[in-house]
Amino acid sequence: DAGVTQSPTHLIKTRGQQVTLRCSPKSGHDTVSWYQQALGQGPQFIFQYYEEEERQRGNFPDRFSGHQFPNYSSELNVNALLLGDSALYLCASSLAMRDTQYFGPGTRLTVL
Amino acid sequence: GEDVEQSLFLSVREGDSSVINCTYTDSSSTYLYWYKQEPGAGLQLLTYIFSNMDMKQDQRLTVLLNKKDKHLSLRIADTQTGDSAIYFCAEIDSNSGYALNFGKGTSLLVTP
Repeated sequence: DAGVTQSPTHLIKTRGQQVTLRCSPKSGHDTVSWYQQALGQGPQFIFQYYEEEERQRGNFPDRFSGHQFPNYSSELNVNALLLGDSALYLCASSLAMRDTQYFGPGTRLTVL
Repeated sequence: GEDVEQSLFLSVREGDSSVINCTYTDSSSTYLYWYKQEPGAGLQLLTYIFSNMDMKQDQRLTVLLNKKDKHLSLRIADTQTGDSAIYFCAEIDSNSGYALNFGKGTSLLVTP
């Protein structure tokens, strides 16, 4: 049973650049949520996608955007990167929005 | 969301029981979760409890829920060195729909 996968594993960018992170949900899941985990902190909710639409959004600026594809995979885009965007970005999938969320291994983004 | 509170560190001897405590914020939370995170990895779902339950047992794990005090605990019996990790308590934040609201995590160190 394939779990949640994310790519790339690590990424290094410089301030002002743009980045795209990718997520494939667990087999049978249709909902994808994205979280940002800064060092030493718990994950913070960015947004959730269901039926190719953003359904809920946390307290993150518009520089953070996303997309969900017909095969339920998802992308997280961050524009105009800041040093403070350095974090582990976690993708979680679930069967429908209210179901238990299962996490992928994360993408470690470093902004220099 | 508001803060989910956890103690930051816990150290136990191998073979002892570990108890990790959490105070959550939302009295209308329907599900409460425990996730485990090993160094450099994503979050692994350990267990969850529905808000109308007081206790849930799953092999070496016991979850206790006190709704009156909004207190959740995770007991790990016969703790092993492989249990060393960060443990996160999470609630569903009803203000954000189905987003998970995490504590900062409890770092568990199991010594031989």
